[in-house]
Amino acid sequence: DSGVTQTPKHLITATGQRVTLRCSPRSGDLSVYWYQQSLDQGLQFLIQYYNGEERAKGNILERFSAQQFPDLHSELNLSSLELGDSALYFCASSVPGVEETQYFGPGTRLLVL
Amino acid sequence: DAKTTQPPSMDCAEGRAANLPCNHSTISGNEYVYWYRQIHSQGPQYIIHGLKNNETNEMASLIITEDRKSSTLILPHATLRDTAVYYCIVRVVTGKLIFGQGTTLQVKP
Repeated sequence: DSGVTQTPKHLITATGQRVTLRCSPRSGDLSVYWYQQSLDQGLQFLIQYYNGEERAKGNILERFSAQQFPDLHSELNLSSLELGDSALYFCASSVPGVEETQYFGPGTRLLVL
Repeated sequence: DAKTTQPPSMDCAEGRAANLPCNHSTISGNEYVYWYRQIHSQGPQYIIHGLKNNETNEMASLIITEDRKSSTLILPHATLRDTAVYYCIVRVVTGKLIFGQGTTLQVKP
């Protein structure tokens, strides 16, 4: 158990819909990262937040957005969902100053039908 | 980004040492080598990292060649639970981990 929690574990929805994935980092960690893992793309970095502020952006679509709240939990919002958005979405957190050592949550498996 | 090359798959007998190689010939002098693993669709797990000296922790050892162009992750006594995809990462930009295809290690009884 990494100490990072993600909800829900599974999500099934239809094309065109919007969903919100939630992540709670480990106690004391200020950074939250979101990754997407699909069968054809592998693990890809989406976005990083540090203490409420966006710090780095990766291959995140405009239909996707994220935020980190004052209590440091984070949400990833996916809208206008397409079949290709079906994937595992992982959240990770890291200790301040040691960003390369990241602790991953169990992931949310999203299936878009 | 520094490119890493790993064999796509390896087998190891249970109880034996598993040696996973990684080539990173374009690594820069201040870039660390990180190893993560992912056990069957679980979240990736940090294993170990190093700069130029060999490193050891409770999970594994990391051997980095003197020219830093390659490294080897060693699991000293592999168990069935070590079956996973192992990722070698050598370029991290502001915390962004760039995962390659990794090596699928199959530990066999």
